[in-house]
Amino acid sequence: DAGVTQSPTHLIKTRGQQVTLRCSPKSGHDTVSWYQQALGQGPQFIFQYYEEEERQRGNFPDRFSGHQFPNYSSELNVNALLLGDSALYLCASSSLTTSGWGTDTQYFGPGTRLTVL
Amino acid sequence: DAKTTQPNSMESNEEEPVHLPCNHSTISGTDYIHWYRQLPSQGPEYVIHGLTSNVNNRMASLAIAEDRKSSTLILHRATLRDAAVYYCILNIYNQGGKLIFGQGTELSVKP
Repeated sequence: DAGVTQSPTHLIKTRGQQVTLRCSPKSGHDTVSWYQQALGQGPQFIFQYYEEEERQRGNFPDRFSGHQFPNYSSELNVNALLLGDSALYLCASSSLTTSGWGTDTQYFGPGTRLTVL
Repeated sequence: DAKTTQPNSMESNEEEPVHLPCNHSTISGTDYIHWYRQLPSQGPEYVIHGLTSNVNNRMASLAIAEDRKSSTLILHRATLRDAAVYYCILNIYNQGGKLIFGQGTELSVKP
């Protein structure tokens, strides 16, 4: 059983460009969450998708947007990249349908390392 | 957002027990306490979670104070592979799935 997969593993962009990161959840999972982890910091919650809709959002600007597809995979889009967007972007999947609020266990992918020059 | 407080770093010797403390004084009655760890160059990994009672699994034990304002993650016999950053997180009931990570505790294990 493949776990959470993310692509690409590394990405280099320049300021002002746009980027799309992809995530495939663990088999049987219906919920995808995205996190940003700056060097030396804990992950910061960006948003969560369930049933193809954004359920929760952290304190991130509208430049960060996402999408969830019918097969539960997800994309994170970042527009007008800033130097400060350089970070490890983590995708996590869980099953809210079976676990319910509070008890759901999130499985994280290895992340996409984004460098903005 | 609900906040947890952990020591920045701890050291342990291999094959000895490790007790990682966490304070969460603002916890409410329906919030679950989750622990994740992050090994170098990897995504976070689930360790254990609980609500009120102490919990055990193959990785660790979770001891929750009676007033629920603090908890302790217990690794019974630390190995070199347990060296990681350990995060104590409150999973807020009505914000299911939104994990708010703090700085975590960096655990180093000496041979």
